[in-house]
Amino acid sequence: DVKVTQSSRYLVKRTGEKVFLECVQDMDHENMFWYRQDPGLGLRLIYFSYDVKMKEKGDIPEGYSVSREKKERFSLILESASTNQTSMYLCASSDTSGEQYFGPGTRLTVT
Amino acid sequence: GESVGLHLPTLSVQEGDNSIINCAYSNSASDYFIWYKQESGKGPQFIIDIRSNMDKRQGQRVTVLLNKTVKHLSLQIAATQPGDSAVYFCAENISNDYKLSFGAGTTVTVRA
Repeated sequence: DVKVTQSSRYLVKRTGEKVFLECVQDMDHENMFWYRQDPGLGLRLIYFSYDVKMKEKGDIPEGYSVSREKKERFSLILESASTNQTSMYLCASSDTSGEQYFGPGTRLTVT
Repeated sequence: GESVGLHLPTLSVQEGDNSIINCAYSNSASDYFIWYKQESGKGPQFIIDIRSNMDKRQGQRVTVLLNKTVKHLSLQIAATQPGDSAVYFCAENISNDYKLSFGAGTTVTVRA
C-alpha cells in the first residue's frame, strides 16, 4: 500500500510565524505535490516537484516555498504566515502513471 | 482559464439507488481523468480513472463514462451505500504533464 504521511493533522500558528509542513511518501515516487483545499474551490496546486532538489510553481505559489532534499520528503514552507493561509493542506505523490496518492491533510489555522 | 467543473455541488441519494455524478471539462488536450472520493477528515482516495482513448471503464460498483465530443465525464455508483457518502472530485491531466486539475467537488449524501 502506498503511504503518504503528513507531519501534523492540526496546526495553530500566529500571524508572521514561519511554518513548516512535512510530507513523506514510501513508494519511491518521483513526483510530489502540495495543494490547499478550501470550501467551494476544490484543490489548488501550490508547488510540485519532479525530482530531488527540483521544484515548480503551481497555480497559487505566492506566500509559499518548498524544499525537496530527499526523494521521499517534500516540505511546504510558509515564510510569514497570514490569516488568508488558513486552510487544509494536502500532500500527494505519484509515479509516471499519473495517479496521485494523497496524505490525510493538515488543517492549518493562522490567528 | 480552462478548468474542470462539476455540475452540481450536492447530491442526495436514497440508499440502494444508483448515483450519477457529472463533471464538465474544457481542455480538449486532456488525456487522463480520475475520480477521487474524500471522506470527512481524510485525504482524497482514488476511485477509478480513464484515458482519452476509452469512453467507458468499470470498477467495483463504479463506472466512469467519458464523452469527448461534449467534454463530459460522469461517475456512476451502483446500489449506493451509506459508506458512499463523501465529496467526489473529478480531475484531469493534460498530456505529458503529471499535474492534475481538480473540480470543486460534489457532496453526496446517502439517505437511509
